[in-house]
Amino acid sequence: EIVLTQSPGTLSLSPGERGTLSCRASQSVSNNYVAWYQHKPGQAPRLLIYGASSRATGIPDRFSGSGSGTDFTLTISRLEPEDFAVYYCQQYGSSVFTFGPGTKVDIK
Amino acid sequence: EVQVVESGGDLVQPGGSLRLSCAASGFTFSNYHMNWVRQAPGKGLEWISYISPSGNTVYYADSVRGRFTISRDNAKSSLSLQMNSLRAEDTAVYFCGGNSVPAAIWGQGTLVTVSS
Repeated sequence: EIVLTQSPGTLSLSPGERGTLSCRASQSVSNNYVAWYQHKPGQAPRLLIYGASSRATGIPDRFSGSGSGTDFTLTISRLEPEDFAVYYCQQYGSSVFTFGPGTKVDIK
Repeated sequence: EVQVVESGGDLVQPGGSLRLSCAASGFTFSNYHMNWVRQAPGKGLEWISYISPSGNTVYYADSVRGRFTISRDNAKSSLSLQMNSLRAEDTAVYFCGGNSVPAAIWGQGTLVTVSS
């Protein structure tokens, strides 16, 4: 099973600032099949990025993904008030998909 | 409206069984890769099962393999999760969702509580 580690655990930022979230895999992820999700309490998870760097339908271009192999990054270029949430990376490159533990982005 | 709606969550005793359903509407369900994901109280997201658009390929997390069974009925635009031998640690909100990239859809979840 591929284990994902996310850092930092919590990121405290102000609206308008740039956020950089990291996801590291315990082994190389096949085809860079890494997704990023946003999740708010009581709501449905929201797919932001798939295939490490492709934005899902309707996702604003302030969200971008990058990386390959074992190291992946989600960047939020300018935080909007609605972006404060928990962000999870997920790998789906093997027959057992896994999520990272999440990074909470909260208001500074 | 494009949506998936989960149902079937309930209070069940340890060792019991439960069947969750997910009704899809507003999109071509048969094109979508579908998953079940859960979130235990105070915890993060945990992926538990995947099924391919045709239903021919299924995957499970180690924590549920042999106890849970995922299935789909493309004619009825529905996804199911049969859960047997339930344990206290299966207590969670269960979400169904999936994608036909770049499009994706997830539901708001249904609560399963395993307790005596």
